[in-house]
Amino acid sequence: EIVLTQSPGTLSLSPGERATLSCRASQSVSSNYLAWYQQKPGQAPRLLIYGASNRATGIPDRFSGGGSGTDFTLTISRLDPEDFAMYFCQQYHSSPRTFGQGTKVEV
Amino acid sequence: QLQVQVSGPGLVRPSQTLYLTCTVSGGSISSGGHYWSWIRQHPGKGLEWIGYIFYTGSTNSNPSLKGRVSIDVDTSKNQLSLLLTSVTAADTAIYYCARDSSSGWFQDYWGQGTLVTVSS
Repeated sequence: EIVLTQSPGTLSLSPGERATLSCRASQSVSSNYLAWYQQKPGQAPRLLIYGASNRATGIPDRFSGGGSGTDFTLTISRLDPEDFAMYFCQQYHSSPRTFGQGTKVEV
Repeated sequence: QLQVQVSGPGLVRPSQTLYLTCTVSGGSISSGGHYWSWIRQHPGKGLEWIGYIFYTGSTNSNPSLKGRVSIDVDTSKNQLSLLLTSVTAADTAIYYCARDSSSGWFQDYWGQGTLVTVSS
């Protein structure tokens, strides 16, 4: 199975700053079948990005995804107070679908 | 507005069988070409994909669960179900039901999830 490693584990930033989250795959994720989710305490995950760089419906344009092959990034251009949360990447190229262990973006 | 609701017991005894249902409202489980997935999250941990089902009954599950998983669908009730046998404390988790996008096997709608604790 494809193992996804996210870094850093925790990102300490202030509102208005730029956040860059990394997701590295143990093998190539073909067709960039990689998604990003945001999760707040007590809530279900919410889809942010699919296909490595496509924003889901209703997601603000301060969120952007990039990368290919084994290295992917999620960038939040200017952190809004509501963006402090956990972020997970997921590959859906091969079965079983797998998730990274998450990056916590905190104030 | 699509709504996804998971229901089932919050406590299951070790070695017993966990049974959850996922009721979908605001849309048909058999339309749009969507698969439906079960995903779990151990307390304070990451996410683990359990398996998926299509309305035709076609399923696939995570080999890590070693054949303990059964996923079924009842289109007349707009429900899917999860059965996990021989549970242990390691199966304690929040269980989510989610819709796979028609654009790929990522999840675009998630239910709120339910915490299942395995304990005697």
